[in-house]
Amino acid sequence: AAGVIQSPRHLIKEKRETATLKCYPIPRHDTVYWYQQGPGQDPQFLISFYEKMQSDKGSIPDRFSAQQFSDYHSELNMSSLELGDSALYFCASSVRDRVLGYTFGSGTRLTVV
Amino acid sequence: DAKTTQPTSMDCAEGRAANLPCNHSTISGNEYVYWYRQIHSQGPQYIIHGLKNNETNEMASLIITEDRKSSTLILPHATLRDTAVYYCIVRVAGRSQGNLIFGKGTKLSVKP
Repeated sequence: AAGVIQSPRHLIKEKRETATLKCYPIPRHDTVYWYQQGPGQDPQFLISFYEKMQSDKGSIPDRFSAQQFSDYHSELNMSSLELGDSALYFCASSVRDRVLGYTFGSGTRLTVV
Repeated sequence: DAKTTQPTSMDCAEGRAANLPCNHSTISGNEYVYWYRQIHSQGPQYIIHGLKNNETNEMASLIITEDRKSSTLILPHATLRDTAVYYCIVRVAGRSQGNLIFGKGTKLSVKP
């Protein structure tokens, strides 16, 4: 079965650079979520999109932005990277009006040096 | 969304049942109980969810108390591959759904 695809799997950037993470949800899933997980931390909700519109916002820094495109894939754009942005970034997708759980991707490991 | 409380860690012998408790005393009538797990550095994995009835699937069973203030996730025959952090999350689902907010889960160590 198709899963949530994230790319790239690993990314190394220098401080003050920008990074773009991509997420391809499960076909026919209409909602995408982004999470950040720092070393030794629990996943923190960043932002979600439903039908290409921002649905909810969590603890996403102002330096980050995201969008969902017409084909439902989503991108998380991160600018002015800081060392503290080094983390695993997970994307998840779901069908909004159903009670089923989210399906998570394998994540992108971002290292800022 | 209601807050949950779970033990920080638990051990379980391989082949035995793992019973993971969760307290959610402030749960609202329209909030579901969800369980996810995260094996080291992998994406969280959905296990099971329930509203008020006990539920069972191929991975686990979920027992919810009658007053819905607590629940237990049961892995009937734990294997080494079940070693993970287990998260109990309560949220509104469906049209007015809340976001999945991870708290401090239970680190389950399955030992040979």
